[in-house]
Amino acid sequence: AQSVTQLDSHVSVSEGTPVLLRCNYSSSYSPSLFWYVQHPNKGLQLLLKYTSAATLVKGINGFEAEFKKSETSFHLTKPSAHMSDAAEYFCVVSASDTGRRALTFGSGTRLQVQP
Amino acid sequence: NAGVTQTPKFQVLKTGQSMTLQCAQDMNHEYMSWYRQDPGMGLRLIHYSVGAGITDQGEVPNGYNVSRSTTEDFPLRLLSAAPSQTSVYFCASSYDRSGQAITGELFFGEGSRLTVL
Repeated sequence: AQSVTQLDSHVSVSEGTPVLLRCNYSSSYSPSLFWYVQHPNKGLQLLLKYTSAATLVKGINGFEAEFKKSETSFHLTKPSAHMSDAAEYFCVVSASDTGRRALTFGSGTRLQVQP
Repeated sequence: NAGVTQTPKFQVLKTGQSMTLQCAQDMNHEYMSWYRQDPGMGLRLIHYSVGAGITDQGEVPNGYNVSRSTTEDFPLRLLSAAPSQTSVYFCASSYDRSGQAITGELFFGEGSRLTVL
């Protein structure tokens, strides 16, 4: 079965400093991996996805993530945080080993950006 | 385009009442799904559909029914509401037609906040 662990429930950074949101996954099959962002009282929006092409994936708003199979990780980074990045971020895995076409979501990391 | 539209945005029910959360998408997506979001638990899949007339259970299906009579609509029914169903519900759709796993983007509605007293 597949699973996702987001290692930090809350991360606080200062504006202009780097962002690192950590995600580890478990899957019996080659997974597709996603990061979604949720702003307050909104639905989720796709930031980026990995589907077995390049291991370094670039997304919207300057975010990127690197797929590391040996470490089963898919950490999200951004060189310089902006106030508008404050939101909740979800790491998501999709694989075919459940027999069910579904995504498995991590529990989320709330990013705070201090001025 | 409207994308994925959910109604109502807010609803308060008493224990034992029934109601339907509506979801409609105008992107001609085959795949539609319902999730519930609870604090500290991410999103959990309730039911999903891979096309009109085809539905399947997700991770937490008990207490919920769905149907898919058209490509556009995927309503979620609570037959007898319980306080444990207090949550925020999201409908999401995808164009993804590939095999078993989902590799494409999910498009989400803005959510329906349900409180059961």
